[in-house]
Amino acid sequence: SQTIHQWPATLVQPVGSPLSLECTVEGTSNPNLYWYRQAAGRGLQLLFYSVGIGQISSEVPQNLSASRPQDRQFILSSKKLLLSDSGFYLCAWSLGHGYGYTFGSGTRLTVV
Amino acid sequence: AQSVTQLDSHVSVSEGTPVLLRCNYSSSYSPSLFWYVQHPNKGLQLLLKYTSAATLVKGINGFEAEFKKSETSFHLTKPSAHMSDAAEYFCVVTHTNAGKSTFGDGTTLTVKP
Repeated sequence: SQTIHQWPATLVQPVGSPLSLECTVEGTSNPNLYWYRQAAGRGLQLLFYSVGIGQISSEVPQNLSASRPQDRQFILSSKKLLLSDSGFYLCAWSLGHGYGYTFGSGTRLTVV
Repeated sequence: AQSVTQLDSHVSVSEGTPVLLRCNYSSSYSPSLFWYVQHPNKGLQLLLKYTSAATLVKGINGFEAEFKKSETSFHLTKPSAHMSDAAEYFCVVTHTNAGKSTFGDGTTLTVKP
C-alpha cells in the first residue's frame, strides 16, 4: 500500500533562519507531488507541484523553493524565513489531477 | 477556468441529526469532484470522489454526495451526525486539462451533544 511521510510535525524557527521540510512517498512510482500551505482558519494554497524528478512548478511567488531530488522525495526550503511563512504545510501525492490526493500529516511551522 | 464555492463557512448540528454541507462548482470541462475531511492539526483525508460514473457517490464514515450537473452542485450529506464528525470539510474540483485542483475555503462542522 502507498504511504506518505512528512516531517517534522511541528517546528518553531526564528525570522531569517533557513527551512527544510521533507516529504517521502512509498509504494508508488512517478507520483505527482504537491506542497500546500494552510494559514490559520483558511483554505489550502498550492505552493509547488512536481510531475517528475527535477520538474517543479511554482504557483505563488515567495521566498520558498521546492526540489525533487528523487522520484518519491519532495523538499520545501527557504533561505530566510519571514513571519508570514507561518502556517500549516501539507505534502500530498497523486497519480494525476483526476485521481484525488493523499495528504501527509502536515507540519505546523511557527516563525517567531 | 474552474472554481468552487462552499456556501457555509460554519454548520452546527446536534448529534443524531442529518448533516448537509453545500458545494457549488464551475468548470469549463466535465469535472472530477472530491470531498476531504480535516481534523484539527491533521492532514486531509479523502471522503469520496465523483469522476463521471454514478452521480450518487458513497464515501467513508456514512457520508455521501450527489453530483447535480443542472445545479452545478456536489453537496455532502450524512443521515445521522456523530460527535467524531466534527471537523473541517473541503470541496475540491479538478480536471486533467486544468492542470491543478481548486479547493473551497472549507466548512467547519460542529456537532453538539
